[in-house]
Amino acid sequence: DTAVSQTPKYLVTQMGNDKSIKCEQNLGHDTMYWYKQDSKKFLKIMFSYNNKELIINETVPNRFSPKSPDKAHLNLHINSLELGDSAVYFCASSQLGGWGQYFGPGTRLTVT
Amino acid sequence: GQQLNQSPQSMFIQEGEDVSMNCTSSSIFNTWLWYKQDPGEGPVLLIALYKAGELTSNGRLTAQFGITRKDSFLNISASIPSDVGIYFCAGFTNSGNTPLVFGKGTRLSVIA
Repeated sequence: DTAVSQTPKYLVTQMGNDKSIKCEQNLGHDTMYWYKQDSKKFLKIMFSYNNKELIINETVPNRFSPKSPDKAHLNLHINSLELGDSAVYFCASSQLGGWGQYFGPGTRLTVT
Repeated sequence: GQQLNQSPQSMFIQEGEDVSMNCTSSSIFNTWLWYKQDPGEGPVLLIALYKAGELTSNGRLTAQFGITRKDSFLNISASIPSDVGIYFCAGFTNSGNTPLVFGKGTRLSVIA
């Protein structure tokens, strides 16, 4: 019955690897987001998709590529991982124009 | 980009005490949201405010949308141990596809 789910919960990998994080929401929302939370707990938007179309793309390195196969899923692929990519990544969803965004449990990415 | 100044950064209070935290901005916001994040979890929406001057309660929590539209506060009455966590304010400066901006959080500790 989880509203917004992410996999994996934890991801430990080495520099230079490519990895993906998956997100699914069963709320029927049409907009999904990826956020990055750094070690100081600061939350920053990375991407936003509405009905599978990219609508917000903050200044994120192009090593990060979101993909939305349908409006219930938004995956994040990261190429050539760097130490600075270590953070907790949160997926969220909402109705477009509906201000309440619902967050997933997060994926803690550690790059060694 | 837009920034929200949230204070205090952290609070240590006795169980049963009331708590107050606030968020200010140099820009006008159209919507204010308050979230709580428990350790290892994603932020959970507590209260959403849509109109200047609006005062909204959710159980022991009360939040207000400042009349200038540049600030908001959150009060927690009669705190209990499970109130421990990080509280984030967040807001939209505009409607449509503008990103949600987060404050840096207030870390609340409750001493039983």
